[in-house]
Amino acid sequence: DTGVSQDPRHKITKRGQNVTFRCDPISEHNRLYWYRQTLGQGPEFLTYFQNEAQLEKSRLLSDRFSAERPKGSFSTLEIQRTEQGDSAMYLCASSLELGPDSYEQYFGPGTRLTVT
Amino acid sequence: LAKTTQPISMDSYEGQEVNITCSHNNIATNDYITWYQQFPSQGPRFIIQGYKTKVTNEVASLFIPADRKSSTLSLPRVSLSDTAVYYCLVGAYNTDKLIFGTGTRLQVFP
Repeated sequence: DTGVSQDPRHKITKRGQNVTFRCDPISEHNRLYWYRQTLGQGPEFLTYFQNEAQLEKSRLLSDRFSAERPKGSFSTLEIQRTEQGDSAMYLCASSLELGPDSYEQYFGPGTRLTVT
Repeated sequence: LAKTTQPISMDSYEGQEVNITCSHNNIATNDYITWYQQFPSQGPRFIIQGYKTKVTNEVASLFIPADRKSSTLSLPRVSLSDTAVYYCLVGAYNTDKLIFGTGTRLQVFP
């Protein structure tokens, strides 16, 4: 399977704990995006990388959130001191800049976080 | 980025054609219109993108009038598996972030 993969698919944690999610994009894609989706809403942009450089961060990404893409391949999203309001589906997507279909982002299945 | 407005929900029956209209009155000259589909517990999936007139692919058609202030996604002969949320997005061709609204929840009945 050459699609975007995310791990874990589900995470239940207690308030105040730290969590880390991983995203593996499509191998030749140089752009990687993180979105957050709450129930009944569309996905909200959090941040994106071009290769290993983080080029934009949404104001939704508080200082408790950090994302990395150290070698320009997989990415991690860490949430420190989780709060109940962090409960959501965290989606990762990737795309190929300047490719013939560069407008299309390919999404992974998401990681569903529940903070108790 | 242009704001979009689309119906919250729609119902249809198998075999019917479904048309979902999206309003984007403030669309900019260089904006494209893109539609994504999302099934429960999955990430969104690209359906179609267009700039003006009509675009057709193996899944859907996209109709865009001359003023580009609205667009219509047309799904021919829907099946139960087309039950999903459909999002209309407006932005640059190769946008670095997608701005989703709340989408249209399509329910297809047998």
